[in-house]
Amino acid sequence: GENVEQHPSTLSVQEGDSAVIKCTYSDSASNYFPWYKQELGKRPQLIIDIRSNVGEKKDQRIAVTLNKTAKHFSLHITETQPEDSAVYFCAARHNTFSNSGYALNFGKGTSLLVTP
Amino acid sequence: NAGVTQTPKFRVLKTGQSMTLLCAQDMNHEYMYWYRQDPGMGLRLIHYSVGEGTTAKGEVPDGYNVSRLKKQNFLLGLESAAPSQTSVYFCASRGGATDTQYFGPGTRLTVL
Repeated sequence: GENVEQHPSTLSVQEGDSAVIKCTYSDSASNYFPWYKQELGKRPQLIIDIRSNVGEKKDQRIAVTLNKTAKHFSLHITETQPEDSAVYFCAARHNTFSNSGYALNFGKGTSLLVTP
Repeated sequence: NAGVTQTPKFRVLKTGQSMTLLCAQDMNHEYMYWYRQDPGMGLRLIHYSVGEGTTAKGEVPDGYNVSRLKKQNFLLGLESAAPSQTSVYFCASRGGATDTQYFGPGTRLTVL
């Protein structure tokens, strides 16, 4: 099955700096890669996603890049703010229905702390 | 439009007791999923359903059963709870025409 590795497990940055979180996946048949943000005690919330036919996607201060050949994708947060502090999860989804009904395979998460 | 809801929010069980977690969605989504979240482990798929009346096993199904008698509801059952099932349980749903998976607020379960 799909294996998603996520690094680093913890990341501390100063407010205004950039943060980068990296993930690798094992199954070349995966074609959808979302990123979720989870604040303490809350549900995971989708912040950005990318499909395998796209190399990069941006939404204001957040961007995701995908390298299909190397099977890795990254989340980039620029001009970080204290409210960006949370746990971030990457995920990969297989492109066929028969593989877990399009369920997501998650990385183990990155705890991001943005200090003022 | 409440999205995905879960009941209960918290529960404490003794070893060997049984319980059912309810997930409900009002978005007419075909796909529904149960995940468990443990510290440092990310979210792991327990069971999933691709439509009313269908269920299938995910990555960590042992000790759990599920049912999807109505399209909007997905139930997760623990027949004989064990301390290893102490976790936060998240339900999620997804429509057939979109990629986005929406999560419920979670149920924190402690098994003593």
